[in-house]
Amino acid sequence: GAGVSQSPSNKVTEKGKDVELRCDPISGHTALYWYRQSLGQGLEFLIYFQGNSAPDKSGLPSDRFSAERTGGSVSTLTIQRTQQEDSAVYLCASSLTRDRANGYTFGSGTRLTVV
Amino acid sequence: AQKVTQAQTEISVVEKEDVTLDCVYETRDTTYYLFWYKQPPSGELVFLIRRNSFDEQNEISGRYSWNFQKSTSSFNFTITASQVVDSAVYFCALKAAGNKLTFGGGTRVLVKP
Repeated sequence: GAGVSQSPSNKVTEKGKDVELRCDPISGHTALYWYRQSLGQGLEFLIYFQGNSAPDKSGLPSDRFSAERTGGSVSTLTIQRTQQEDSAVYLCASSLTRDRANGYTFGSGTRLTVV
Repeated sequence: AQKVTQAQTEISVVEKEDVTLDCVYETRDTTYYLFWYKQPPSGELVFLIRRNSFDEQNEISGRYSWNFQKSTSSFNFTITASQVVDSAVYFCALKAAGNKLTFGGGTRVLVKP
C-alpha cells in the first residue's frame, strides 16, 4: 500500500480481555517495528521484525505481549489479559531494509483504552 | 546503550518567531544516524530530516535547519519564522547498532497566532 496501515484506529476493551492490533506495512518493506506511546510520553520500542523473524523483542513489557508477522507483510500485536496500564497508542512503522540509514514510515497508530 | 535527551518539554512562541529544539544523544557506536520527526495533533509521525555521523555539515531546508555537533553530541533543530501549523510534538531519534530507533521524550511546540 501507499502507507503503513493500522487497524483498528481505536479500541476500547475491558480489563482482562485479549486484543489484537494489526499492521500492514508498505509493500516491499522488509523491516517492521512496533512502538508504544503512553499519554504525553515518548515512544517506547517493543519489537522489531526482519522478514518474519524477530531479532529484537527486548521491548515487550511482559509475557502478555506477543507479536507475529506472516508472509513478510502483515503483523499482529496481541495483548492478553489486558490491564489498565496497557492503555496507550500503539504505533507500527516499516522501513525498506535493515540498513541503518533508512528512516521509518509510521502508521497512524491504534489507540487502546482498557477500562 | 543508546540514549536521546530532549530537555525542553514544551515551548510556546508567537507566530513568526524562531524556535530551536535541543537534542543530546549518547552512543558508543561510531556510525549512527540522527533523525527529527514531527507528530501533529493527528498523531501520525512525520519524518523531517536525517543526518549521519560522518557528515557534520549543517543545512537549511526551507524553514527548517539543523546544527549537528559531534563534539557536544548535539543535534539541534530550528524552525524559522514559525507558523501555527508547526504546532506539534517534535521527536529527536538515534539509530545506531541494532537497527532500532531510540527516541527522545519529545518537545511540544505551541505556536500562537
